[in-house]
Amino acid sequence: GAVVSQHPSWVICKSGTSVKIECRSLDFQATTMFWYRQFPKQSLMLMATSNEGSKATYEQGVEKDKFLINHASLTLSTLTVTSAHPEDSSFYICSAAILGHKNIQYFGAGTRLSVL
Amino acid sequence: TQLLEQSPQFLSIQEGENLTVYCNSSSVFSSLQWYRQEPGEGPVLLVTVVTGGEVKKLKRLTFQFGDARKDSSLHITAAQPGDTGLYLCARVGNMLTFGGGTRLMVKP
Repeated sequence: GAVVSQHPSWVICKSGTSVKIECRSLDFQATTMFWYRQFPKQSLMLMATSNEGSKATYEQGVEKDKFLINHASLTLSTLTVTSAHPEDSSFYICSAAILGHKNIQYFGAGTRLSVL
Repeated sequence: TQLLEQSPQFLSIQEGENLTVYCNSSSVFSSLQWYRQEPGEGPVLLVTVVTGGEVKKLKRLTFQFGDARKDSSLHITAAQPGDTGLYLCARVGNMLTFGGGTRLMVKP
């Protein structure tokens, strides 16, 4: 099946610094990528939908200036958490979908962010 | 908001027991997916159900889609410790909308 690689798997950073998370589709071209956030013992909440070559669409309540998303190629999307604070600590998961198949999403293994 | 309610939220059982988890909505699903997520990992797709009344089996897992396509269930027969995880249902549309999940623990 299709493989989505997410990097890093775990990051610890100081409050006020920025962290970049990469999401790559390894064996297919992903025209759409999704970014989710998952707090402990909770479900996945969609943060934004990213289409290659265009601006991301953010869900209500998600600050686009804080969570910068770039989808510059068909195999790579990045999420940058700017000026991270402890409340941003969470599990961030990306998924990728092939053109015309948004219903089939392939998930990365997630990135655990801990902000001290 | 088209909420998905999953029940129970938590379930702890002994190895060999059977269990059923539920996913309910007040509105009709075009289609629904079930995922399992293990700690520190992304969710893995188990099944997609599309047709009302549909039943799909995946080894010891049986998935059922309600006739009215507003609810679904996942039944596990003779649960094993390897079944431990978070089970998520998701409404399929322009995006996936996940339910709150059922956290299952199977004790040896």
